[in-house]
Amino acid sequence: KAGVTQTPRYLIKTRGQQVTLSCSPISGHRSVSWYQQTPGQGLQFLFEYFSETQRNKGNFPGRFSGRQFSNSRSEMNVSTLELGDSALYLCASSLDRANTGELFFGEGSRLTVL
Amino acid sequence: AQKVTQAQTEISVVEKEDVTLDCVYETRDTTYYLFWYKQPPSGELVFLIRRNSFDEQNEISGRYSWNFQKSTSSFNFTITASQVVDSAVYFCALSEFLISNFGNEKLTFGTGTRLTIIP
Repeated sequence: KAGVTQTPRYLIKTRGQQVTLSCSPISGHRSVSWYQQTPGQGLQFLFEYFSETQRNKGNFPGRFSGRQFSNSRSEMNVSTLELGDSALYLCASSLDRANTGELFFGEGSRLTVL
Repeated sequence: AQKVTQAQTEISVVEKEDVTLDCVYETRDTTYYLFWYKQPPSGELVFLIRRNSFDEQNEISGRYSWNFQKSTSSFNFTITASQVVDSAVYFCALSEFLISNFGNEKLTFGTGTRLTIIP
């Protein structure tokens, strides 16, 4: 069973640019969550999608957005990049059972903003 | 607001020693879930265990054991007879239970404990 796949794995952008990250969940998983991991702030919840609807959202500015497609694949977008957006962005998928917390994570997309 | 504290930033032990990772949490919810995840160098987080707030039984899984004490808001993780493969960053996490919102995968993570097992 293939795991959670995130692309690209590494990318470098400059301030002001925008970036789109992609996540393919495990087959059959309908919930996709996104987390940002930085040395200073640790792991922080960005948002969660289920059946193409955003079900929960963290405390991030509107520059961070996401969406989920009918095949459960998800993308997140960050516009007007800032230096502080440099981070490892982790995607996780899970079955649609409530509150399982049994998230299956991808290896992440490491974004560097110069 | 929820908060998870992992006071131990880094721990190093010699192989075969036992090691305990501490986790203290704060929440106003009466129903909540606690988790431990492992993050190896490759980056992905690996789910280890989930415990709900009504289940205070300790759990043992092979060399791993967990001690949940609601009275002290702690959910500690012990590795017995540590091995080099246990070297990783370990995260404790907390989630609230939302009756009104079917499904909630929003986790509040601690800052993690980097565990190094010395051969």
